[in-house]
Amino acid sequence: AQSVTQLDSHVSVSEGTPVLLRCNYSSSYSPSLFWYVQHPNKGLQLLLKYTSAATLVKGINGFEAEFKKSETSFHLTKPSAHMSDAAEYFCVVRGNDYKLSFGAGTTVTVRA
Amino acid sequence: SQTIHQWPATLVQPVGSPLSLECTVEGTSNPNLYWYRQAAGRGLQLLFYSVGIGQISSEVPQNLSASRPQDRQFILSSKKLLLSDSGFYLCAWNPGAKVYEQFFGPGTRLTVL
Repeated sequence: AQSVTQLDSHVSVSEGTPVLLRCNYSSSYSPSLFWYVQHPNKGLQLLLKYTSAATLVKGINGFEAEFKKSETSFHLTKPSAHMSDAAEYFCVVRGNDYKLSFGAGTTVTVRA
Repeated sequence: SQTIHQWPATLVQPVGSPLSLECTVEGTSNPNLYWYRQAAGRGLQLLFYSVGIGQISSEVPQNLSASRPQDRQFILSSKKLLLSDSGFYLCAWNPGAKVYEQFFGPGTRLTVL
């Protein structure tokens, strides 16, 4: 079975400082991994995806994630947080039959 | 380009009343379609998915049902709503063909009173 664990339920950063959201995965085959962002009362937006190409994946809005097979991790980072980054972030792994397995989510708060 | 629509955006319904939420996708054909629910503090729960017209798979037994009357239309229904049906309902689509990411609609906020 495929699953993800998001290691932090809540992350608080100051505007202009780096953001790190941690995710570990478990997959019985070569994983496809994703990060989604959800702003309050909105749908989920795909930030980036890893599908066995480059291990460092660049996404939208300055986010990037690094796939580390030896650590079974797929952490999301951004060098400088912006107020608009305040949202909930989901780490996701491909499951069976085109289904996705979602982490519990990390809520990001950005302090002015 | 592809677009996914959901309506209504918000809905307040009394316990025991029926429910119909609609999702449509434009700009693609034969998509995989999904219904999710987000209850407060409980993450995303997959309710139903469909790989074609009339083909519905249920992930969680409950008083909800889904139908796919047309290729790009996915409907979530209930005959009698429960308080526990309150939540944020999200529809998503996926093109298949070895593409695994899903694309989400704007969601429907359902409050059952």
